[in-house]
Amino acid sequence: QVQLVESGGDVVQPGRSLRLSCATSGFTFSSYAMHWVRQAPGKGLEWVAVISFDGSDKYYADSVKGRFTISRDNSKNTQYLQMNSLRAEDTAVYYCAKDLSNTRMDVWGQGTTVTVSS
Amino acid sequence: QSALTQPRSVSGSPGQSVTISCTGTSSDVGGYNYVSWYQQNPGTAPKLMIYDVSKRPSGVPDRFSGSKSGNTASLTISGLLAEDEADYYCCSYAGGSYVFGTGTKVTVL
Repeated sequence: QVQLVESGGDVVQPGRSLRLSCATSGFTFSSYAMHWVRQAPGKGLEWVAVISFDGSDKYYADSVKGRFTISRDNSKNTQYLQMNSLRAEDTAVYYCAKDLSNTRMDVWGQGTTVTVSS
Repeated sequence: QSALTQPRSVSGSPGQSVTISCTGTSSDVGGYNYVSWYQQNPGTAPKLMIYDVSKRPSGVPDRFSGSKSGNTASLTISGLLAEDEADYYCCSYAGGSYVFGTGTKVTVL
C-alpha cells in the first residue's frame, strides 16, 4: 500500500535550520509531484510547497519563499524540505502529501512536528 | 495567496444536510475547476473527500458532494452521520501554487 513517512521534526531555536524528509513506498515515486503542507497548533492547513515529478518545477507559499527549499531524490523515493531562518510562526506539524494530476493531494503522511522556540 | 474563506462552523442533526462554502477569487477557485475538499479528525492527517470540484475518490460515500459557482465552491453532506463530525478544508489550485480554506468545524447535534 502507499505509504508516506515524514521525519526530521525537532525543537530548534529561531534563526536555525532544519531538514525534513518524507520517505515513500507503494507507488512509482518518480511519476508524481509531491507537496508539503503544515498546520500550526490549533490552526488550519497551510500549503507550503510543491515539486514536480522530476524536480524541475517548484512553487512555494509566500510565507516561506526564500527561506524553504523543496527537493527530491527519485533514486531514494524521498522528498525533502530544507527550512532555513526558522521563525516562531513556522511551528507546526508538517505533512508530506502525494499529488495526483496536479489537482489534489490523494495520500498524506502522519506528519512530523517542528517547534521553533528559544 | 490569501486563505479561502470558509464559515468557522456548521451544525446539523443526524439525517439532515449541511453545506460548507469556500470563497476565493478569480485567481484560484474561480479560475480553475481544481477545488478539492479534505476531512480531518483530531490528531490525524487530512483525507481527500472531493476533487475537481465534484468528483469523489473511491470509498467516499455519495453523501458527500461538491459544486462551484463563480468564485465560491461548496461541499454538501447529506444524511448527516455522527461519524461526519470533523474539520473540513477546501483547497484550490492557483496557477502553480495552491491555497487552503480557513477550515470549517462540522458538528453533529
